[in-house]
Amino acid sequence: GQNIDQPTEMTATEGAIVQINCTYQTSGFNGLFWYQQHAGEAPTFLSYNVLDGLEEKGRFSSFLSRSKGYSYLLLKELQMKDSASYLCAAGGYNKLIFGAGTRLAVHP
Amino acid sequence: DADVTQTPRNRITKTGKRIMLECSQTKGHDRMYWYRQDPGLGLRLIYYSFDVKDINKGEISDGYSVSRQAQAKFSLSLESAIPNQTALYFCATSHRDRGTDTQYFGPGTRLTVL
Repeated sequence: GQNIDQPTEMTATEGAIVQINCTYQTSGFNGLFWYQQHAGEAPTFLSYNVLDGLEEKGRFSSFLSRSKGYSYLLLKELQMKDSASYLCAAGGYNKLIFGAGTRLAVHP
Repeated sequence: DADVTQTPRNRITKTGKRIMLECSQTKGHDRMYWYRQDPGLGLRLIYYSFDVKDINKGEISDGYSVSRQAQAKFSLSLESAIPNQTALYFCATSHRDRGTDTQYFGPGTRLTVL
């Protein structure tokens, strides 16, 4: 079957580091995407991993382990504007399978 | 101007009415998608199209139909709306490039069926 699991909610403090985990099971896997979505707005693309390892992009990094079906999104130097939902999506057979999203609340 | 636009942005309708949601894009992408988003369920694919003559059902196509009028336009219809179709609807576009196929989303249409 196809399944994406990620935590429902997380909280963190401004300036801190937070890691959002995602496990996936899909057919024809061809990459793992992370999107950010502020309440009531469109998802916006953050990162894409197809090979094992860490991809760094400014304050955000994303990691993939294909053998474990596991990814994480690492957010450093958290800012209040990072309060949003983070969607993990696995690519397979020309489609994306989305997780339900992790709602991150950043507190002062 | 936004690359992917959706109209209307908000719509309230009654059970049994026919509704059309429209999506246009200026990104030049060949692939277009319709999703719905419900609290706690994430984004679910309704229909997708890889070019004007290619239409495919997603995981929840029952009660919906689509039309790809041109490469840049993809509309979603609810033939007879029902309350459990109340949701946030997103259109997305993509173009396969060097093995990646990143999807870019429109601003969404909030649909309420009474």
